This record gives sequence, structure tokens and C-alpha cells, in this order.
Amino acid sequence: QVQLVESGGGVVQPGGSLRLSCAASGFTFSSYGMHWVRQAPGKGLEWVAFIRYDGSNKYYADSVKGRFTISRDNSKNTLYLQMNSLRAEDTAVYYCAKDDEAAATCDYWGQGTLVTVSS
Amino acid sequence: QSALTQPPSASGSPGQSVTISCTGTSSDVGGYNYVSWYQQHPGKAPKLMIYEVSKRPSGVPDRFSGSKSGNTASLTVSGLQAEDEADYYCSSYAGSNGYVFGTGTKVTVL
Repeated sequence: QVQLVESGGGVVQPGGSLRLSCAASGFTFSSYGMHWVRQAPGKGLEWVAFIRYDGSNKYYADSVKGRFTISRDNSKNTLYLQMNSLRAEDTAVYYCAKDDEAAATCDYWGQGTLVTVSS
Repeated sequence: QSALTQPPSASGSPGQSVTISCTGTSSDVGGYNYVSWYQQHPGKAPKLMIYEVSKRPSGVPDRFSGSKSGNTASLTVSGLQAEDEADYYCSSYAGSNGYVFGTGTKVTVL
């Protein structure tokens, strides 16, 4: 069965950096695009970034463009999100999600990892 | 990349139906048949309920149905059950702008 396990969350000061990881199993990771989606405490879902199955194309929300970088290592079945210049408004649970490229949807989600940006 | 607009709340008694709207623009909802709906219970990850406007993944009850007209998509939950009480989010593919989620709707089963 599909499993996505995020890690790397924690408390970081404003202006700091953090790298999230998402370990994937139960499917052929190298054949699917992947998303990062976040949810601020008590708020709605916000799409953050997407990377194609081979890493050839990456897309970002305007709110994180130039600060966050999505990447993947298909040999390790792992997705990453490098977050730089963090702001208080980046505080959220970050979910990774598998893409069903034919349907442009997130068909499986991880349990999320909490990132808190605070001094 | 403005969020799609959903009503903050919706409610119905057990057995009744509730319909949630999701309004976007011609650059997202109206431009593609790639609207999805997700259910999220408190403290849990979202779960895909509808994709490509009206298709249900395996295991999702047929009480859940989706449709779209112009720039507005809708999710209908028929025969409401207690376990349907949750937050629901729409999302749409938005071309070169990536993806966009809705503002979310809290469904209460009275």
C-alpha cells in the first residue's frame, strides 16, 4: 500500500532554513509527480510546490517562489522541500502528496510534519 | 493564485443532502476538468473524494458526487451520515500557476 512519511519539521527562527523529507513506499516513486501542501494552524490547505516524476519541471506557489526548492532523489524514493528565508507565516503542517498525473490530483497524502517559525 | 471560494459552513440532518460550491475563474475551475474534492477530519490528513470533476476513487461511497458549470464546481453529499462531518476542500489545476485549493467548508451533521 502507498505510504508517505514526512520528517524534518521543527522550530526555526525567522530567516532560518529547514529541509523537509518525504519517504515514499508502496508504489513506483520514479513514475509519479509529487506535491507539497501546507496547512497553517486552524486554516485551510495551501498548495506549495509540485515536481514532475523525473524532476524536469517544478512549479511553486507565489508565496514561496524564490525561497523554497522542491527536489527528489528517485534512487532513494524520497522527496524534499528546502525552505530558506523562513517567515512566521510559513508556520504550518506540511504534507507531501502523490500526484495522479493523468487526473491532476493528489491521490495519497502523508500524515504531515509541523514547521514552526518563531523567535 | 487566489484561493477558490467556498462557503464557510454547510449542514444537514442525517439522511439529507448537502451541496458545497467552489467558485474559481476561467484560469482554473472553468479552464480545466481537473477539479478535485478532499475530506479532512480533525487532526488527520486530507482524503481524496472526487477527481476530474465527478470521478470517485475506489472505496469512496457513491453518496459523494461532483459536478461543474462554468467557473463553479459543486460537491453533493447525499444520505448524510455522522461520519461525513468534516472539512471539505476543492482544488483545481491552474496550468502554469500550478494548483489552487478552496477556502474550505465545514460540514456539520445536525
